[in-house]
Amino acid sequence: QKEVEQDPGPLSVPEGAIVSLNCTYSNSAFQYFMWYRQYSRKGPELLMYTYSSGNKEDGRFTAQVDKSSKYISLFIRDSQPSDSATYLCAMTSDLTGNQFYFGTGTSLTVIP
Amino acid sequence: NAGVMQNPRHLVRRRGQEARLRCSPMKGHSHVYWYRQLPEEGLKFMVYLQKENIIDESGMPKERFSAEFPKEGPSILRIQQVVRGDSAAYFCASSQTGTTWYEQYFGPGTRLTVT
Repeated sequence: QKEVEQDPGPLSVPEGAIVSLNCTYSNSAFQYFMWYRQYSRKGPELLMYTYSSGNKEDGRFTAQVDKSSKYISLFIRDSQPSDSATYLCAMTSDLTGNQFYFGTGTSLTVIP
Repeated sequence: NAGVMQNPRHLVRRRGQEARLRCSPMKGHSHVYWYRQLPEEGLKFMVYLQKENIIDESGMPKERFSAEFPKEGPSILRIQQVVRGDSAAYFCASSQTGTTWYEQYFGPGTRLTVT
């Protein structure tokens, strides 16, 4: 079983839609949860990070962590064509020796 | 404040040659991570270094691969005697010591092609 599972998509939505991206994980020791956005042939860009369970909002983006279900989500409101990219979840813990575990990424296209 | 720098951006090597990938972390960052990304796959951890120390190299193949982060200068990922299977995008990330050590910032990557 992979440490982190992420639906690869592709996901295609109309402009203005609410997008939901999700990851599940198996290691209950994970404490820090990150979302990255990666444009084609570019490096991943840190979007948001969350510690432990709960919600965090930043503009049109909301990150949710449910540690009891080992499930994290990223919501994008009022999606824009510029949001078209691959979204990677990542997680780590003080106990995992600073190793970061990434999902395979979900490809998102927002259609104007 | 410049971001993470990587060079070269593209590297073509013939089988059996050596590849050297360089990474300069963000200013003030003392932690460097190297990842490999293959098409349709996620980022795979290779090695984690701090200045002059390899902290965790559990993700790096035992043969042909090595990494260093000297006191002065960039971190270097070296691949000796490259094979076609080494073709991939290699990303470097950096973070700083302290409470935000988990915030990693990535460079643009080096795309290695082995012919």
